[in-house]
Amino acid sequence: AQSVTQLDSQVPVFEEAPVELRCNYSSSVSVYLFWYVQYPNQGLQLLLKYLSGSTLVKGINGFEAEFNKSQTSFHLRKPSVHISDTAEYFCAVSLKAAGNKLTFGGGTRVLVKP
Amino acid sequence: DAGITQSPRHKVTETGTPVTLRCHQTENHRYMYWYRQDPGHGLRLIHYSYGVKDTDKGEVSDGYSVSRSKTEDFLLTLESATSSQTSVYFCAINGLAGVPLYEQYFGPGTRLTVT
Repeated sequence: AQSVTQLDSQVPVFEEAPVELRCNYSSSVSVYLFWYVQYPNQGLQLLLKYLSGSTLVKGINGFEAEFNKSQTSFHLRKPSVHISDTAEYFCAVSLKAAGNKLTFGGGTRVLVKP
Repeated sequence: DAGITQSPRHKVTETGTPVTLRCHQTENHRYMYWYRQDPGHGLRLIHYSYGVKDTDKGEVSDGYSVSRSKTEDFLLTLESATSSQTSVYFCAINGLAGVPLYEQYFGPGTRLTVT
């Protein structure tokens, strides 16, 4: 079975500073990788995904993530955060063979301070 | 907008009572899922459906049952609610023709409190 570990449960960051959210996964087979964002009292929204090809993927709202197969990581970055980026971020994987059932990490809560 | 709604949005119930949550979609997606969200655990899959009357268990299915008698509705039932089932429940959908299967769309969630 696959698993996902988000190494930081909370990340405080000042406005306009860079942020990196770490995600590591374990799986014996190839996976698809995702980052979702959840704003307060809302559902989840897809930020970006890695399916194949280039290991650097760009998503919405200026976020990007890099897939590192040897380290089984998929870290999320943004060079300059805004107050509106305050949210909870979830890393998730799905098995390519099984299609579409998602396994989520525990989440990272980002608090952007002015 | 993926056309997915959940009802009720908030519910408080007592231990031992039955509870049914409803997920409704308007776009004919084949797959529907129920997840629960708890602090530190992210979202965990409870049950999913891959077609009318076709369902299967997820990671945390004990104490839950589901039914899907028509494409647009996926019901999650807690036969006898317990305090450990206090959580936020999310429905998700995918499988629309022409849309990649990895694109899951999430509903707004139902906050359930069992007292």
